[in-house]
Amino acid sequence: KQEVTQIPAALSVPEGENLVLNCSFTDSAIYNLQWFRQDPGKGLTSLLLIQSSQREQTSGRLNASLDKSSGRSTLYIAASQPGDSATYLCAVYAIGSSNTGKLIFGQGTTLQVKP
Amino acid sequence: GVTQSPTHLIKTRGQQVTLRCSSQSGHNTVSWYQQALGQGPQFIFQYYREEENGRGNFPPRFSGLQFPNDSSELNVNALELDDSALYLCASSIAGGPDTQYFGPGTRLTVL
Repeated sequence: KQEVTQIPAALSVPEGENLVLNCSFTDSAIYNLQWFRQDPGKGLTSLLLIQSSQREQTSGRLNASLDKSSGRSTLYIAASQPGDSATYLCAVYAIGSSNTGKLIFGQGTTLQVKP
Repeated sequence: GVTQSPTHLIKTRGQQVTLRCSSQSGHNTVSWYQQALGQGPQFIFQYYREEENGRGNFPPRFSGLQFPNDSSELNVNALELDDSALYLCASSIAGGPDTQYFGPGTRLTVL
């Protein structure tokens, strides 16, 4: 059974710091891994999607890496800003008929960037 | 984009509720997720071309419909206190591992 874990659950950093959020998954049979941002009480905004054949994706100050064999992904945020404060969720799209259509999410890391 | 209605809803235990979602134009797949407070979203089910295409670990009192006009519904019967959550719908182009675009969610409170 695929399980996704995110560490840490919460993180507080001063503005300008570079930071890394971690995501691990138990089964390497995935199509892709996606990072989302969620503001309090709101829906999910897709940040980056990494296909299983890719090693990393970049968008602006964000860089996500994927090591499928070890079941790990990291989201790197450069030069953090107070506007980056949100909950960050990673999710995998697992291979297998029982997983059809199903994104499996971690519990998220809540980030606070202090001015 | 993906829209959902209503934004907030309060019901009492035992009642029935219908939540609505309007998919992004051209998307023929919609997925529904339940997100309890402080947790990641949990997959409820997916509809592809108006038929259920996969289901998570939710009881039959959770049911859905998808219509040809890019709209869909999530119905929950016999509401329980634990059904209180943010319900998210997501649309995608096809019933596969494509990018899913999420709506803003409906916050359901069951008293």
